[in-house]
Amino acid sequence: GAGVSQSPSNKVTEKGKDVELRCDPISGHTALYWYRQRLGQGLEFLIYFQGNSAPDKSGLPSDRFSAERTGESVSTLTIQRTQQEDSAVYLCASSLSWLAGDIQYFGAGTRLSVL
Amino acid sequence: AQSVAQPEDQVNVAEGNPLTVKCTYSVSGNPYLFWYVQYPNRGLQFLLKYITGDNLVKGSYGFEAEFNKSQTSFHLKKPSALVSDSALYFCAVRDRDTNAGKSTFGDGTTLTVKP
Repeated sequence: GAGVSQSPSNKVTEKGKDVELRCDPISGHTALYWYRQRLGQGLEFLIYFQGNSAPDKSGLPSDRFSAERTGESVSTLTIQRTQQEDSAVYLCASSLSWLAGDIQYFGAGTRLSVL
Repeated sequence: AQSVAQPEDQVNVAEGNPLTVKCTYSVSGNPYLFWYVQYPNRGLQFLLKYITGDNLVKGSYGFEAEFNKSQTSFHLKKPSALVSDSALYFCAVRDRDTNAGKSTFGDGTTLTVKP
């Protein structure tokens, strides 16, 4: 596609339920990133993938959070046993590579609301 | 460790006046620096970046930023603001020397340009 696509755009769930958020990166982009943006706050790094290398999971806030990526395509961020503090916009970005100078292209985000 | 500070939550300017959005950073190595803009209900868009070379970087929509190593700053500027520049602006840093894919973003600055 022309840009990074995220689905769903909005997700409302009940506390304790599991949710899956999907990201389709730009074709040919080998690096993929997940961020969390709480209301009125900046972007919080969660995880990034580069090709077939082991992902950098250093930003995942707890073991309830996990992410997978199939090759250099779709990624899924899973949050188990959701809590109200998980409510935020989850942003996905992709770039040509993991090199530090590469521009990240962002999706519109998934707004997660945990009731 | 790396960090970014955007000391102003809000910047207000009149249309036609110059604008400055401040950013300071901290990295253990040498920095790659970025500015992104977020319009309402849209994902982040790249504005400009500093990699190496000329300290004055020009980007999209007439924006520019000056890298100042001694002050560890990368302030965003525009000579003449437009109402359409009103948005949320994020500064980000990556450590060039570690070649890490991890970006650290500031908390953002809301720019409001009044007619």
